[in-house]
Amino acid sequence: EVQLVESGGGLVQPGGSLRLSCAASGFTFSSYEMIWVRQAPGQGLEWVAYISSSSSTKHYPDSMKGRFTISRDNAKNSLYLQMNSLRAEDTAVYYCAREQHKPSNGFDIWGQGTMVTVSS
Amino acid sequence: QSVLTQPPSASGTPGQRVTISCSGSSSNIGNNPVNWYQLLPGTAPKLLIYSNNQRPSGVPDRFSGSKSGTSASLAISGLQSEDEADFYCAAWDDSLNAWVFGGGTKLTVL
Repeated sequence: EVQLVESGGGLVQPGGSLRLSCAASGFTFSSYEMIWVRQAPGQGLEWVAYISSSSSTKHYPDSMKGRFTISRDNAKNSLYLQMNSLRAEDTAVYYCAREQHKPSNGFDIWGQGTMVTVSS
Repeated sequence: QSVLTQPPSASGTPGQRVTISCSGSSSNIGNNPVNWYQLLPGTAPKLLIYSNNQRPSGVPDRFSGSKSGTSASLAISGLQSEDEADFYCAAWDDSLNAWVFGGGTKLTVL
């Protein structure tokens, strides 16, 4: 079964750090581009980070550059999101997702999400 | 303020056809394919339409997508109660070098 499973969420104080993981199974992880997307309580979807299949290219929204780092380990079929200097507004459910092969670019497989709460 | 603009809500009765619009610019919708996602309460997003008008396997043909210029639309025909969900459009933005989403449209089946 093709699946993504996130872990690593939890409660963290403002200014703290957290590392999210996303375990992939059922497909050739190393050949897919991957992303992180989040949804804050009562809010819409927000793209967080993108990484190419070989890790050669990474993109972030300006609001997260310098604080968030996306990485992957193709040997372990795993995707990561290192989040530093966390703020209350980073509180959200974080999803990892797989991007379809070109020319399509939809996010066709999603994990169940992991909740991150930033609060003192 | 989302880069892509969607109406916050839409509604219809069972069996009706409803459309949800998504407005952008030349740097996103005007130059890149549009994808649509469905969020049912308490579940992960689901890819509903990709490349403007393509349905992944398993998505009923009641759902269709279209694009013209810098706008896109999602149409749902034969509305069913289980279609009640939040819908989001998304596209890559060449100027921002970023994925951008619409603000989401909450569909209510009356």
